[in-house]
Amino acid sequence: EDKVVQSPLSLVVHEGDTVTLNCSYEVTNFRSLLWYKQEKKAPTFLFMLTSSGIEKKSGRLSSILDKKELFSILNITATQTGDSAVYLCAVETTSGTYKYIFGTGTRLKVLA
Amino acid sequence: EPEVTQTPSHQVTQMGQEVILRCVPISNHLYFYWYRQILGQKVEFLVSFYNNEISEKSEIFDDQFSVERPDGSNFTLKIRSTKLEDSAMYFCASSWDLTGAEAFFGQGTRLTVV
Repeated sequence: EDKVVQSPLSLVVHEGDTVTLNCSYEVTNFRSLLWYKQEKKAPTFLFMLTSSGIEKKSGRLSSILDKKELFSILNITATQTGDSAVYLCAVETTSGTYKYIFGTGTRLKVLA
Repeated sequence: EPEVTQTPSHQVTQMGQEVILRCVPISNHLYFYWYRQILGQKVEFLVSFYNNEISEKSEIFDDQFSVERPDGSNFTLKIRSTKLEDSAMYFCASSWDLTGAEAFFGQGTRLTVV
């Protein structure tokens, strides 16, 4: 059974801290791994990773994929209160058709 | 910026009633999806739709569920006879192709079955 596991489940940090969120997966027919940020409602897209070892960056956020060890990390440096959200990891599989398997998410709370 | 829009944002319905959740995907997108998220749980795949037919559906998507794209713009999810356990946030998503484009999600419809 396809599985995506995120850790930690929740995290509380202070502004300015750096956080690392983890996502491991076991899926057949892996195609890509995506990170989404979910605040009040809709998951909003952060990164799509398809190749191992290539870091993707967007401002204070960065992410990397290891296809050999089947995991990805999402780093957030110099955290701000606006980073408080649930961060979702999703793996796109092509078993049958293209679809996402989501992890349970990591709930990040950044305190002022 | 183009976005996926969903209506209504919140729907309350009595058990056994039919509900239709509506989505307007991004206009040049070709692939459409419904996901749901029961409160406190993870986002789960329901169904994917392409070229006016279902590409794949999960075991959650039983005979009570149906999807259609009646007019080339709206993409709807119908639940024929709602059950209490159908209470969840339902997300519509779309992508323009399958060769590396991420899916964009709508804001969701919170369905409460009483």
